[in-house]
Amino acid sequence: AQSVTQPDIHITVSEGASLELRCNYSYGATPYLFWYVQSPGQGLQLLLKYFSGDTLVQGIKGFEAEFKRSQSSFNLRKPSVHWSDAAEYFCAVGILLRSGTYKYIFGTGTRLKVLA
Amino acid sequence: GAVVSQHPSWVICKSGTSVKIECRSLDFQATTMFWYRQFPKQSLMLMATSNEGSKATYEQGVEKDKFLINHASLTLSTLTVTSAHPEDSSFYICSARDANYGYTFGSGTRLTVV
Repeated sequence: AQSVTQPDIHITVSEGASLELRCNYSYGATPYLFWYVQSPGQGLQLLLKYFSGDTLVQGIKGFEAEFKRSQSSFNLRKPSVHWSDAAEYFCAVGILLRSGTYKYIFGTGTRLKVLA
Repeated sequence: GAVVSQHPSWVICKSGTSVKIECRSLDFQATTMFWYRQFPKQSLMLMATSNEGSKATYEQGVEKDKFLINHASLTLSTLTVTSAHPEDSSFYICSARDANYGYTFGSGTRLTVV
């Protein structure tokens, strides 16, 4: 069965510090992987995605993620966190449907708190 | 970029009444839209896949008669929560796919049933 695990429910970092959010997936085929950010009361915003090719993916807002097939991981990183990065972060696996569209399986999310 | 508009942003209703949530793709056509539900401190869970001109595909455990989905046009899908109860209180989000921009999510609807 497909699943996505984000082992850290909460993470607190100081502003300016580096960040890594963990994501592990279970999926039989080649995964399509996504990271989304959700600010309080708002919808999701796509940070980055991995379909194929270079395993290090660059996204918006200075985020990057690395796909490691051997570890079934897709961890999100940022070298220097800003106070505005405080939000909920979701990792997701995209499953290709016959219609050619995707449906997502989401992790439970990691809530990031940034200390001034 | 592609924009998905979701209304209302929040709604409070009495137990036993029905609530309709709209999801519109503003500048593209979407043959498929997705409805998600998020419980507090939990992940988004896919409820159903809405297909234009045909019946929605519901995920296991989602009550079809309670969560009515209509996708009558290429730019509009609606989710109606029928006979709402307090346990239906949640955050509902829709998404749609555009060929050029990929998936876009609506801003979500906070439903509170009292």
